[in-house]
Amino acid sequence: QKEVEQDPGPLSVPEGAIVSLNCTYSNSAFQYFMWYRQYSRKGPELLMYTYSSGNKEDGRFTAQVDKSSKYISLFIRDSQPSDSATYLCAMGKGNEKLTFGTGTRLTIIP
Amino acid sequence: DAMVIQNPRYQVTQFGKPVTLSCSQTLNHNVMYWYQQKSSQAPKLLFHYYDKDFNNEADTPDNFQSRRPNTSFCFLDIRSPGLGDAAMYLCATSRDPQFQAKNIQYFGAGTRLSVL
Repeated sequence: QKEVEQDPGPLSVPEGAIVSLNCTYSNSAFQYFMWYRQYSRKGPELLMYTYSSGNKEDGRFTAQVDKSSKYISLFIRDSQPSDSATYLCAMGKGNEKLTFGTGTRLTIIP
Repeated sequence: DAMVIQNPRYQVTQFGKPVTLSCSQTLNHNVMYWYQQKSSQAPKLLFHYYDKDFNNEADTPDNFQSRRPNTSFCFLDIRSPGLGDAAMYLCATSRDPQFQAKNIQYFGAGTRLSVL
């Protein structure tokens, strides 16, 4: 079993819809959680990071962490074609190396 | 803007011909990382520098080497590229994860390597 599981998609939704992207993990020692957005042929761009269970909002993006279920989510409200990208979850413990999901490929249809 | 810059963006090399990829950063971060990412896969950590200390991942082939001449620059050398080394190579930085107790990483745009 992988430490981090992420549905690879592809996921296609119409413009304006709410998008839900998810990762599950098996290592309860993970302390902080990140979401990266990666456009085609580009490097990952840090979107959000969070430490604790609960929600964190930044504009149209909400990161949610449920440590009891070992489940994290990224919600995108009012999705735009420019949100079309691969979304990678990543998680870490202290100063150790990060563990990444394989990414979910998202397409927003105008 | 503070950035992580990778050059070149695209690199074509021949089988067995050495190649060097470069990364520079203006974030003044202590740690620099090199990852390999193949299509639809998670980035795979090759090695990292904590200041001048080099840390190799156990499963990184000897074919991959790195140099960090100063805080701002880091190089990835592939001594004899094989067809299986064709991938996106990502450089990332983080600010003193030991002190910060977290490892938030910032990535460059990547270098896409093709091996003919």
